[in-house]
Amino acid sequence: EAQVTQNPRYLITVTGKKLTVTCSQNMNHEYMSWYRQDPGLGLRQIYYSMNVEVTDKGDVPEGYKVSRKEKRNFPLILESPSPNQTSLYFCASSLRAVSTGARVLQETQYFGPGTRLLVL
Amino acid sequence: SQQGEEDPQALSIQEGENATMNCSYKTSINNLQWYRQNSGRGLVHLILIRSNEREKHSGRLRVTLDTSKKSSSLLITASRAADTASYFCATSSRGFQKLVFGTGTRLLVSP
Repeated sequence: EAQVTQNPRYLITVTGKKLTVTCSQNMNHEYMSWYRQDPGLGLRQIYYSMNVEVTDKGDVPEGYKVSRKEKRNFPLILESPSPNQTSLYFCASSLRAVSTGARVLQETQYFGPGTRLLVL
Repeated sequence: SQQGEEDPQALSIQEGENATMNCSYKTSINNLQWYRQNSGRGLVHLILIRSNEREKHSGRLRVTLDTSKKSSSLLITASRAADTASYFCATSSRGFQKLVFGTGTRLLVSP
């Protein structure tokens, strides 16, 4: 079954304790992305990756790191979590973000089930 | 930065009625997509409309795009209780390698 998986689904942690949220897709997608969703703010992009070893900042990258060593995996790392990172996190992937010169065509994104994080 | 803004923020209707949600955006786009989210779950793609298209249909969904007004609408016809969810528009802009989501419309369909 084609899917995006995230682990863990729920996590309670304390300030400063490093954590990693894993994301994996089995659709051979090139593009992967992380979002956080907060009430009244919708989804905001944290980081994205156009392909292996290619990552870039989204709108709210502060306090997060990512890596893309393999095509299928795109882990989100919180080196020193703080309470303002309490949120619902979604990983997403899409087949490609086709680049034609300066134009990038963003295709349908497939979302994981979400990770609910509470930082005390 | 937020690109899309949905209107209304919340909508409550009866089963069988039509539901219309609107999305406005600020910059030129390549395409606009609509997603649905059931409470606390991941988003599910509904429909994509490209900047050179004006209208698109998929089952009970009808999406329109007016690039001159920088707006789109999602119409769900003959709504069902199972349509209860939040609906988000998302835009892909030229030169930007990301999808920008609006804040969503919460739809409640009562039996």
